Amino acid sequence: KQEVTQIPAALSVPEGENLVLNCSFTDSAIYNLQWFRQDPGKGLTSLLLIQSSQREQTSGRLNASLDKSSGRSTLYIAASQPGDSATYLCAVVTGGGNKLTFGTGTQLKVEL
Amino acid sequence: GAVVSQHPSWVICKSGTSVKIECRSLDFQATTMFWYRQFPKQSLMLMATSNEGSKATYEQGVEKDKFLINHASLTLSTLTVTSAHPEDSSFYICSASDAGTGNQPQHFGDGTRLSIL
Repeated sequence: KQEVTQIPAALSVPEGENLVLNCSFTDSAIYNLQWFRQDPGKGLTSLLLIQSSQREQTSGRLNASLDKSSGRSTLYIAASQPGDSATYLCAVVTGGGNKLTFGTGTQLKVEL
Repeated sequence: GAVVSQHPSWVICKSGTSVKIECRSLDFQATTMFWYRQFPKQSLMLMATSNEGSKATYEQGVEKDKFLINHASLTLSTLTVTSAHPEDSSFYICSASDAGTGNQPQHFGDGTRLSIL
């Protein structure tokens, strides 16, 4: 059974700092990995999707890497801003059916 | 593009009531829709997968008679929580994909907060 873990569970940083969020998964036979953002009481916003054959994806200040063999992904946020404050979730698709297994999330707070 | 609308966003009702939540794909055809449940400060747990025109597939431990799912069209799926009790209070989120398998991304609704008194 696939298990996804995220470290740290919570993170507080000053504005402007670069930061890294970590995600690990137990079964390396994934189809893809996604990073999502969730604001309090809201649904999910997809940030980046990395296919199993890819090593990284970039969107603006966000960069996600994937090391499938070691079961790890990182989300790099450059020059953090207060508006980046949210919970970040990673999720993987393993096996058929396009079912996502979510990690435990990292709650990020970027302070002025 | 790829907008998913979920309604209602918040519902409060008495114990024993049945509650229906709608999930609509507004600008694409959703071959597959997923229903998730999220408890406070926890991650999303998949409840069931529904494909248009067929019965939903429920995850282990999810009561299919308690959580009725209908996916009658390519743009609408509904989740009905039957005879809801306080322990059913949670945040329910749907997602939709335009492919049944493979690497197509899921697009999420804004969720429904259900509170049972």
